[in-house]
Amino acid sequence: QSALTQPASVSGSPGQSITISCTGTSSDVGAYDFVSWYQHHPGKAPKLMIYDVSSRPSGVSNRFSGSKSGNTASLTISGLQAEDEADYYCTSYTSSSTLGVFGGGTKLTVL
Amino acid sequence: QVQLVESGGGLVKPGGSLRLSCAASGFTFSAYYMGWIRQAPGKGLEWVSSISGAGSFTNYADSVKGRFTISRDNAKNSLSLQMNSLRAEDSAVYYCARVSRITGAANVPLETDYWGQGALLTVSS
Repeated sequence: QSALTQPASVSGSPGQSITISCTGTSSDVGAYDFVSWYQHHPGKAPKLMIYDVSSRPSGVSNRFSGSKSGNTASLTISGLQAEDEADYYCTSYTSSSTLGVFGGGTKLTVL
Repeated sequence: QVQLVESGGGLVKPGGSLRLSCAASGFTFSAYYMGWIRQAPGKGLEWVSSISGAGSFTNYADSVKGRFTISRDNAKNSLSLQMNSLRAEDSAVYYCARVSRITGAANVPLETDYWGQGALLTVSS
């Protein structure tokens, strides 16, 4: 069982917005603003989309945004596009390990 | 451009050993922490190990501590993961990744900015 909890799947139609949640504990998500999100198209290398809860690396579309409330972080994708269909993983710093912890991943389907 | 290419995956019997390698190019290899992240079939991602640029500091997941050893050869721009006493639950795609930021006294990796395509390890009799 993954340390962070994500929904197994979410879906949305092109142009819509979706939100993926990532629930941790007071030892990880709730305690630190070191939450990141990765996009993973099967067969390709994962890509960093969000870091420090809500910061976007250079080159990442502003359709991707992140937030956090308590022990739950969220990734919102607005104006869904077919190319957004992928697996999304959250990860967080944790005080209980010398390595980060990941969520179980969420499969986004663009209908 | 940054490239990370893993090699060495394969089928191994339980209790066996295997060494994964990652060839890096397109950046100053010795300046970066590197790591291994794995994904078991149908499961999420899991940090396996990380290593500092000079190779002085290493971190391991509890699940592999004492069985896996991470190392690097900066002269050859190469990262390795020696895996011993392999178990069925070690079966996964192993990704080599460049760490873009670390934090804390324990040098915990925060983000990775480049990943390889992955190497498949299957542990089965």
